[in-house]
Amino acid sequence: DADVTQTPRNRITKTGKRIMLECSQTKGHDRMYWYRQDPGLGLRLIYYSFDVKDINKGEISDGYSVSRQAQAKFSLSLESAIPNQTALYFCATSDSARAGGYTFGSGTRLTVV
Amino acid sequence: TQLLEQSPQFLSIQEGENLTVYCNSSSVFSSLQWYRQEPGEGPVLLVTVVTGGEVKKLKRLTFQFGDARKDSSLHITAAQPGDTGLYLCAGADNQGGKLIFGQGTELSVKP
Repeated sequence: DADVTQTPRNRITKTGKRIMLECSQTKGHDRMYWYRQDPGLGLRLIYYSFDVKDINKGEISDGYSVSRQAQAKFSLSLESAIPNQTALYFCATSDSARAGGYTFGSGTRLTVV
Repeated sequence: TQLLEQSPQFLSIQEGENLTVYCNSSSVFSSLQWYRQEPGEGPVLLVTVVTGGEVKKLKRLTFQFGDARKDSSLHITAAQPGDTGLYLCAGADNQGGKLIFGQGTELSVKP
């Protein structure tokens, strides 16, 4: 099993619909992140959580919300999807105890029509 | 706001050639990381550099962190088709260590 699992892998949804992307990890890391990737823009941070009771906005949080249900689970919701939220979404984890890198999931390709 | 600028954005070369990718900022980062991403997958960490002037080698890949910790480079010697992918640099910000990513360099190595 993958260290960081994202579901679904692909999703097509209609404008105005609410949608949830889920992320779970088996790394035992305390920190979790949601990024979106658009061509030519790299990865931009949506929300991050340093522990179960900690939720912080990233640089592009408008239109999104998150829930940290447990140390291993971090979900991202689009309250009312719009076409410019079409993108590749990545969940990542890291360990605050070590200055190591992030472990990423395989991504969710979301299309809003 | 801390920003990272990567160049070039696209690079297409023949097998056996050398190349360098640059990652520049006006801000100081506590550490800098390089990732490689293949289609349909998430980025995978290649290396972390922490000390100004640090050089790390990973087979044919050489990573350097600038003396002032504001820039970094990735040099690939004798590129191979298997090196094809998106290369991303990322700096740890000065407020909690979140990663800030550059735009990425799309590398294509043709046989």
